Amino acid sequence: QVQLQESGPGLVKPSETLSLTCTVSGGSISGYYWSWIRQPPGRGLEWIGYNNFRGSVNYNPSLNSRVTISVDMSRGQFSLKLTSVTAADTAVYYCGRGERLGFDYWGPGTLVTVSS
Amino acid sequence: DVVMTQSPLSLSVTLGQPASISCRSSRGLVYSDGNIFLNWFHQRPGQSPRRLIYMISNRDSGVPDRFSGSGSGTDFTLHISRVEAEDVGVYYCMQGTHWPWTFGQGTKVDIK
Repeated sequence: QVQLQESGPGLVKPSETLSLTCTVSGGSISGYYWSWIRQPPGRGLEWIGYNNFRGSVNYNPSLNSRVTISVDMSRGQFSLKLTSVTAADTAVYYCGRGERLGFDYWGPGTLVTVSS
Repeated sequence: DVVMTQSPLSLSVTLGQPASISCRSSRGLVYSDGNIFLNWFHQRPGQSPRRLIYMISNRDSGVPDRFSGSGSGTDFTLHISRVEAEDVGVYYCMQGTHWPWTFGQGTKVDIK
């Protein structure tokens, strides 16, 4: 059974960089698209972007200049970096496997709060 | 961005009764390969979303057959034939045809 688990700081200061890692277990990271999605408290879902196993990336234009998603196949992990964060970036961040068909596997999510 | 508009935003249903959620896209969702990437997710309180249906009407493994999807063009519907207590939560449609992929605002379902 494929499992995903997000990890990283739960509190980030404004203007700093948010960094999260998703560890994939129970299955190969190769052959799939790996994405990040976020959900501000009490609100809906926003697709951040993806990196596929070949290193092809695509980011939401609303975040494009601030986002980097990378894959480390040797560790079975993929990562999110979001620079110059503000309070508007406070959200539960989910990692997931999938692309146009949506996600068939999700992590449990991790709350990241942007505050000084 | 393609705007996905769900209705209703809130739905209170009697156990055992049917329910439907509508999702309308601001533009057609036919991809260049002819497929329509319209998916449905269910999120229970405090949990991550779970995909129920992909490409309009394909149920995921383990999803009860009381869930079904239909639609074409810009109008899509999630049907629940007989609502059970475990079906409470928020339902989201999502389009994967046009980048950036976008979600509807969600429909909250509870038991009357």
